[in-house]
Amino acid sequence: DTGVSQDPRHKITKRGQNVTFRCDPISEHNRLYWYRQTLGQGPEFLTYFQNEAQLEKSRLLSDRFSAERPKGSFSTLEIQRTEQGDSAMYLCASSLGDRGYTFGSGTRLTVV
Amino acid sequence: GIQVEQSPPDLILQEGANSTLRCNFSDSVNNLQWFHQNPWGQLINLFYIPSGTKQNGRLSATTVATERYSLLYISSSQTTDSGVYFCAVAPGGSQGNLIFGKGTKLSVKP
Repeated sequence: DTGVSQDPRHKITKRGQNVTFRCDPISEHNRLYWYRQTLGQGPEFLTYFQNEAQLEKSRLLSDRFSAERPKGSFSTLEIQRTEQGDSAMYLCASSLGDRGYTFGSGTRLTVV
Repeated sequence: GIQVEQSPPDLILQEGANSTLRCNFSDSVNNLQWFHQNPWGQLINLFYIPSGTKQNGRLSATTVATERYSLLYISSSQTTDSGVYFCAVAPGGSQGNLIFGKGTKLSVKP
């Protein structure tokens, strides 16, 4: 198993464009999480799936953000009409139950 | 919501020294984890420790849930231990929402 994979590693986009990130979790993990991290801060929770069901969403997840996990496998996070404040590292993690999380390397988004 | 406070915010050590990092939380938790974020940004899970004591090599952690704190011990520090150490907790009743502290930035000098 190669761990949690995220794609792309870096994304530069113009304000107003839509972007989509992908996360492939560890295959036997049933839970998948999305976090956002800005410079000098700890990761902030965005949303969480158990299998294909989205069970929790942060108030940080505005209407412009949507996440899916079809068939309980990989997940996508889409941001519509990007704003400069969306610039951050987007992290995906997976776990088996509520035990230790394994994080991916993240997707760094820059909105110009 | 639950508050997570980590101390110290910054720590500089000489290689070989020992250190203790502290995490205080303001309410009961059903999940507590320690992470190391290396200088390249990768978050590595160190411990899942909602209560009790665990050891892994030079690292050990203790959580006293009734007193709402956790400690991470690093012995015989190495330059590769440098980075930011985060404590993260999930409040009682929550399953997925790990709340992170601001971290302790550790620099180990050769």
